[in-house]
Amino acid sequence: GAGVSQSPSNKVTEKGKDVELRCDPISGHTALYWYRQSLGQGLEFLIYFQGNSAPDKSGLPSDRFSAERTGGSVSTLTIQRTQQEDSAVYLCASSLTSEGGYTFGSGTRLTVV
Amino acid sequence: AQSVSQHNHHVILSEAASLELGCNYSYGGTVNLFWYVQYPGQHLQLLLKYFSGDPLVKGIKGFEAEFIKSKFSFNLRKPSVQWSDTAEYFCAVNTNAGKSTFGDGTTLTVKP
Repeated sequence: GAGVSQSPSNKVTEKGKDVELRCDPISGHTALYWYRQSLGQGLEFLIYFQGNSAPDKSGLPSDRFSAERTGGSVSTLTIQRTQQEDSAVYLCASSLTSEGGYTFGSGTRLTVV
Repeated sequence: AQSVSQHNHHVILSEAASLELGCNYSYGGTVNLFWYVQYPGQHLQLLLKYFSGDPLVKGIKGFEAEFIKSKFSFNLRKPSVQWSDTAEYFCAVNTNAGKSTFGDGTTLTVKP
């Protein structure tokens, strides 16, 4: 597609429920990233996929968070047993190479109540 | 691990004033450097980038940034800001680890 597409744009969930966030990167971009942005904070790295290599999961804050990327394209970020501190905007980005220069999606605003 | 520091959290300027936003990073090796901008209600977009070569790089909308290796800095500048430059600006560093580290952002408000 023309840009990075994320869905849903907004998600309100009850504490303890699981959520899935989807990212559809730009076609041909081998690198895909998930970040999250809390109110007034910078971007916190979560996970990074590069081609067929094993993902860099070093930023995932707990084992409740997981992500996969199927067929080198679409990625899903799953948060199990959501907590209120998970409330944030979750951003997906893709780039042609791992050197940087991201194209970001519009994000998913997650609110855990 | 690398870190990125943006010294100004909120900058308020009048139109036509000059802008300089500070960015310092901590990493001793080769880096790629970026500035991203997020206009109100819009998603983050790349403003400019430095990979190698001329340390003074020019981006969109009249912005430029200068890489000073000895100071570990990559400050963003614009000679004359406009009201439409009101946005949040993020500095980012990418090393050979493949992912970028972002600063906390600087909110710029330009008064008409």
